[in-house]
Amino acid sequence: GAGVSQTPSNKVTEKGKYVELRCDPISGHTALYWYRQSLGQGPEFLIYFQGTGAADDSGLPNDRFFAVRPEGSVSTLKIQRTERGDSAVYLCASSPGSGGMQETQYFGPGTRLLVL
Amino acid sequence: AQSVAQPEDQVNVAEGNPLTVKCTYSVSGNPYLFWYVQYPNRGLQFLLKYITGDNLVKGSYGFEAEFNKSQTSFHLKKPSALVSDSALYFCAVRDDGTGGFKTIFGAGTRLFVKA
Repeated sequence: GAGVSQTPSNKVTEKGKYVELRCDPISGHTALYWYRQSLGQGPEFLIYFQGTGAADDSGLPNDRFFAVRPEGSVSTLKIQRTERGDSAVYLCASSPGSGGMQETQYFGPGTRLLVL
Repeated sequence: AQSVAQPEDQVNVAEGNPLTVKCTYSVSGNPYLFWYVQYPNRGLQFLLKYITGDNLVKGSYGFEAEFNKSQTSFHLKKPSALVSDSALYFCAVRDDGTGGFKTIFGAGTRLFVKA
């Protein structure tokens, strides 16, 4: 079956603009995660959804970042008033959601965001 | 709060030789430990994980890792390296002491396997 997909693959925007990044998880996976990976760093946790609800959003850096998952499948990460420091690869991952903390996450290819 | 350290930015090894990529962790409860690999222009791929039980975990592509509770380590190993193993490797941890699903990743170790 299809893996996790993310669109767009690349996004270039100007400082101050609003962007939306989309994640389509593996079908049937109820758990969904967003990460940010800066150059030379490991993925940094942003937010975790179980179904439609954000179970842990402690990694969101500030109130410019927001994520939704209204139907428990596709998720959108929204960034307002983008700053150059937001430039990074944004990764999405999903897992079945029934196995607890031992579950393996399956990652998408990422969206590379560049803020000019 | 949980943390992960990968002390080596880069590991160089000759093809056919054994390889080790180091990882140490810090948690308040019990750790759930993972290794992922990232190839250029591709997403992270799962290699193996330690949950409980046997300290030696075997995973994909001939990789294995040894959980050492006293040394709080989870080093990735392979008996005989291949050129195709050259990639970026990430160690990650979840902490059941925090009760959350937050996964913390190390900064990554780049593995170069020379023919």
